[in-house]
Amino acid sequence: GDSVTQMEGPVTLSEEAFLTINCTYTATGYPSLFWYVQYPGEGLQLLLKATKADDKGSNKGFEATYRKETTSFHLEKGSVQVSDSAVYFCALSQTGANNLFFGTGTRLTVIP
Amino acid sequence: DTGVSQDPRHKITKRGQNVTFRCDPISEHNRLYWYRQTLGQGPEFLTYFQNEAQLEKSRLLSNRFSAERPKGSFSTLEIQRTEQGDSAMYLCASSRTTERYGYTFGSGTRLTVV
Repeated sequence: GDSVTQMEGPVTLSEEAFLTINCTYTATGYPSLFWYVQYPGEGLQLLLKATKADDKGSNKGFEATYRKETTSFHLEKGSVQVSDSAVYFCALSQTGANNLFFGTGTRLTVIP
Repeated sequence: DTGVSQDPRHKITKRGQNVTFRCDPISEHNRLYWYRQTLGQGPEFLTYFQNEAQLEKSRLLSNRFSAERPKGSFSTLEIQRTEQGDSAMYLCASSRTTERYGYTFGSGTRLTVV
């Protein structure tokens, strides 16, 4: 069945450091891929998405590229801020499906 | 746009009791979803409504669980005869039909069964 594997956390970085959170997936066909973010005390928010191979999703300085050859959708940011501290979830959805499959989440803490 | 509201935020109940959670989606969103998130895991899909019709249910939704969306607006999720394994965060999300993956999630209801 479909599944998403994320790098285990927690991840602690200093402000302005480079961030990579790895995400790989297992799925048939051509799913859409997503990154969601959950800030403390808030609901999950869609951060970015990509719906076909080689698409790059980007938002708020975060980027992720849909790599079908490596079945990956790694999240990157060039310079993290304290306000980026949150839990990040990678997710996929099959074409025509009404549900999302989520990874287990990666907690990021950015220290000043 | 006040976002997706869930009530209560926290619920502690004794094993065997029934509980009901409420979700108020964004008013113009006709799709509504319920997910469950256990500690250290990502959210897992439970069920989905298009307006008042429940169109999809996960195998995770046992016969002790029932969800309704009577007028296509708010939704309720009821768990009968709660078990300790039901302890989790229950998340509601909504979206427009044209934005299938542009979910807006609520902050969730945390259920603890003791």
